[in-house]
Parts: sequence; C-alpha cells; structure tokens
Amino acid sequence: AQSVTQPDIHITVSEGASLELRCNYSYGATPYLFWYVQSPGQGLQLLLKYFSGDTLVQGIKGFEAEFKRSQSSFNLRKPSVHWSDAAEYFCAVGRINEKLTFGTGTRLTIIP
Amino acid sequence: GAVVSQHPSWVICKSGTSVKIECRSLDFQATTMFWYRQFPKQSLMLMATSNEGSKATYEQGVEKDKFLINHASLTLSTLTVTSAHPEDSSFYICSAISTDSYEQYFGPGTRLTVT
Repeated sequence: AQSVTQPDIHITVSEGASLELRCNYSYGATPYLFWYVQSPGQGLQLLLKYFSGDTLVQGIKGFEAEFKRSQSSFNLRKPSVHWSDAAEYFCAVGRINEKLTFGTGTRLTIIP
Repeated sequence: GAVVSQHPSWVICKSGTSVKIECRSLDFQATTMFWYRQFPKQSLMLMATSNEGSKATYEQGVEKDKFLINHASLTLSTLTVTSAHPEDSSFYICSAISTDSYEQYFGPGTRLTVT
C-alpha cells in the first residue's frame, strides 16, 4: 500500500531563512510525487511535481524539491522564505490519473 | 489554466437535512473526479472516486448511502450528504482528472457545518 510520511507537524522559520520540509513515501512502483500548499480555509495549490527525469524539480514561488530514490524521499526546499509562505504543506504520491495519497501535512509558521 | 469550481463554498445546514455540493471542471472534461474530506488541522482523506456514467467507488469505511455521488456529465460531479449530522461537518474538496492531460486539478473546497 502506498503511504506518505511528513515527520514534521509544525516548523517555525524566520523570514529570510532557508526552509526544508521532509517527505518520505512508500510506493510499489515508480512514484509520481507532488507538493501542495494550502492556506487556511482554502483549497490546494500545486507547488511542483515529479514524474521522471531530473531529480531536482523547480516549482512556483521559488520552491524546489529533490527526489532521492535511495532514501524514498522528496523534500521541499526554499532558500529564503517570505511571510506569505506561512501555510500548510502537503506531500502526496500517486499516479498521474489516479487518486493521490497525502501526508499528514506540515504547518509552516514564519516569524519576523 | 485548468480550473475546478465547487459550489457552495460554505454551507450551514440543520441536522437531519441533506446538502448537495457541486464540483465542476470549467475548461476541461473529466471522466474521473475524486472527493476528499479534510477534518480541521488534518490531511485529506479520499472518500470516493467518481466516474462519468457509472457508479462511484467508495473507500473503505465511507457510507455510500450517506454520501451520494453522481457524475452526470464530463464536467460535473455532485456529492450529496444525506441526513447530515454534526460529525459530518468538514471541509470537502474535489479534484478532476483532465481527459486531455491526465493531470489532476483541485477545487477550492466546500466547508460544511451541520448544526
């Protein structure tokens, strides 16, 4: 069965500091991996996705993620966070036209 | 870009009544749509897979008679919560798979409050 683990429930980062959100997955085949962001009371916005090819994926809002097959990880990074990045972040795994399995999410708080 | 809308965005209903939530793909067709449920400060859990022209497939533990899903066209799926109770209060999010790109697009969600 497929699963996603986001070990950090809540992370606090100073504005301008770098960020890394962790994601580990379990999947029976080559995974399609996604990162979504959700602001309070809002729907999901896709930040980036990995299907194949270059393991370093660039997304919107200055985010990037690196797929590491040997570690079953797909960590999200940003070199310098902005106050507007405060939100809930979800990692998900699935296939392109199938249901997604989501991690439990990481809440990001930005302090001035 | 591909847009998925949900209506209503927020609904309050009394216990025992039914409420219908619509999910529409505005600029693409979708033979498959998914309905997810999200409790406060929790992740999204898949409730059911909606396929145009056929019966929905429900995840284990989801009552199909309580959560009625109808995928009547290639752009519309509806979720009806029947005889709603306060424990059904939640954030319901749909997604749609584009028949062209096979990419999945999410709606903005519907917050249901049952009093």
